[in-house]
Amino acid sequence: AQKVTQAQTEISVVEKEDVTLDCVYETRDTTYYLFWYKQPPSGELVFLIRRNSFDEQNEISGRYSWNFQKSTSSFNFTITASQVVDSAVYFCALSLIPNSNSGYALNFGKGTSLLVTP
Amino acid sequence: DADVTQTPRNRITKTGKRIMLECSQTKGHDRMYWYRQDPGLGLRLIYYSFDVKDINKGEISDGYSVSRQAQAKFSLSLESAIPNQTALYFCATGRTGENNEQFFGPGTRLTVL
Repeated sequence: AQKVTQAQTEISVVEKEDVTLDCVYETRDTTYYLFWYKQPPSGELVFLIRRNSFDEQNEISGRYSWNFQKSTSSFNFTITASQVVDSAVYFCALSLIPNSNSGYALNFGKGTSLLVTP
Repeated sequence: DADVTQTPRNRITKTGKRIMLECSQTKGHDRMYWYRQDPGLGLRLIYYSFDVKDINKGEISDGYSVSRQAQAKFSLSLESAIPNQTALYFCATGRTGENNEQFFGPGTRLTVL
């Protein structure tokens, strides 16, 4: 079975601070996908990134960056120079690589609530 | 227009009532999913469907049923609603072979009194 742990329930930072959201996962499979989703106060789920287990290269997208380390089973998310609009709940998720027997369900962590204050 | 729509967006009902939540998509995806979100618990899978003739139970299917009326429509029913089914419900879609990226609807907030 797959498991995703987001140990930080809530984080509060002041605008312009950098913040890292932790994600640790468990799976016996060697091939899988990792995801990050953002849920702003309006409630919708916004896709941020997908990472294939074969690709450990870190990724940067504007103020967002992701650090994938298979050795520690972690897929951490860093926001640089945080802004008030970054306030949201962030979910890390894992799914196995699809095959004919798998429903490809996303296994979500419990989420980290980030509050960025002015 | 949104690619994945859910109706209703909000619903308040009473214990014992039958409720249907509907999901429609214009993305042409074959796979559809229903998830439930509870505060502090993340999202959990209720049911999923590979195509019109394929329905599968997820992690928490008890108390729910689904119908895949067409490739674009996937409905979730609560036959006899109970208060602990109060939650935010999300429909999601995905296409076979596309890295399992799932696209979520806006959610339906259901309250069972």
